[in-house]
Amino acid sequence: KAGVTQTPRYLIKTRGQQVTLSCSPISGHRSVSWYQQTPGQGLQFLFEYFSETQRNKGNFPGRFSGRQFSNSRSEMNVSTLELGDSALYLCASSLVASGRRELFFGEGSRLTVL
Amino acid sequence: GESVGLHLPTLSVQEGDNSIINCAYSNSASDYFIWYKQESGKGPQFIIDIRSNMDKRQGQRVTVLLNKTVKHLSLQIAATQPGDSAVYFCAEIHNAGNMLTFGGGTRLMVKP
Repeated sequence: KAGVTQTPRYLIKTRGQQVTLSCSPISGHRSVSWYQQTPGQGLQFLFEYFSETQRNKGNFPGRFSGRQFSNSRSEMNVSTLELGDSALYLCASSLVASGRRELFFGEGSRLTVL
Repeated sequence: GESVGLHLPTLSVQEGDNSIINCAYSNSASDYFIWYKQESGKGPQFIIDIRSNMDKRQGQRVTVLLNKTVKHLSLQIAATQPGDSAVYFCAEIHNAGNMLTFGGGTRLMVKP
């Protein structure tokens, strides 16, 4: 069974640009959530999607957005990139919307903003 | 691999010894507490979880203890192996959704 797949794995952008990251969850998983990981702030929740609807949103500016498609694949977008957006962006998928909390993480997309 | 945290607390143990990693949490209303392991260049990997109405849960070589009085969570790893070297995160979650709140992480180094 394939795990959570994130693309691209690495990317470099410049300030002011925008970026789109993709996440394919484990087959059958309908919940997809996104996290930002930085050395300074650690792992922080961005948002969660379930059945194409955003269920929860973390404390990030509106430049960070996401969506989920009918096949449960998800994308997140960051517009007007800032240096501080450099981070590892992690996607996690889960089989159920509530109950046992086993989230499966992908290996992340490493974004560097120059 | 990536540096997950430049200033993480580090626990160094001898191979074969038991390890205890501690975590303080903040939200008394959390429904589950979870431990994740993150190896260099990889995403966090689920280790074990515990419901808020329990105080102990055991898995294979791992035990999680929950002390709600002092809001403290610990992960015990028995007979620590070199493959256990990683950064360990505790996290808390509510039933309403899959929003995890992570702790800062502890780097475990196992000396052969």
